[in-house]
Amino acid sequence: GAVVSQHPSRVICKSGTSVKIECRSLDFQATTMFWYRQFPKKSLMLMATSNEGSKATYEQGVEKDKFLINHASLTLSTLTVTSAHPEDSSFYICSALGLAAYNEQFFGPGTRLTVL
Amino acid sequence: AQSVSQHNHHVILSEAASLELGCNYSYGGTVNLFWYVQYPGQHLQLLLKYFSGDPLVKGIKGFEAEFIKSKFSFNLRKPSVQWSDTAEYFCAVNAQEDSSYKLIFGSGTRLLVRP
Repeated sequence: GAVVSQHPSRVICKSGTSVKIECRSLDFQATTMFWYRQFPKKSLMLMATSNEGSKATYEQGVEKDKFLINHASLTLSTLTVTSAHPEDSSFYICSALGLAAYNEQFFGPGTRLTVL
Repeated sequence: AQSVSQHNHHVILSEAASLELGCNYSYGGTVNLFWYVQYPGQHLQLLLKYFSGDPLVKGIKGFEAEFIKSKFSFNLRKPSVQWSDTAEYFCAVNAQEDSSYKLIFGSGTRLLVRP
């Protein structure tokens, strides 16, 4: 099946620094990738939709200047949390929409971000 | 706007018991429906999906779900659970006319199956 990877799996950073998370589709091309945030014991909240070669579409309430998304190729999207603060600590999950798999998203394993 | 409700937040069952997890959605148009499972320490995996056709959908690992349009429901069922079914289950929906394919997730149900 389609595989999506995320790197790093865990990251701890100091308040005020920026952190980049990578999402890769390993065996398929993805024109669209999605970034979610999962709070403890809560559901996944869609943050933004990332389309290859164009600007990301952010959900209401998500700061686009804080969560920078780049989808430079059909297999890679990155999420950069800029000037991270403790309240940004969360589990970030990406998913990729396969070109051949209509309407099915394949999820990455997630990245645990802890901001001290 | 679309929304998804999963009323059971925690479910505890013994092995071989039957399972039914509720999922209701709110949306006036035509939807695609999904159930995902997240095993401890693992990523989300698709259990089953409904786009159209037979409202009774069979998925992997013996799971099935029934789409009842009049009730806006898509409940997940399994006749006999196993200890290995311990996981968190998420219902999700997207609107068929939404070309962005973005998913709206329910809050999830944590299932614990006791041996």
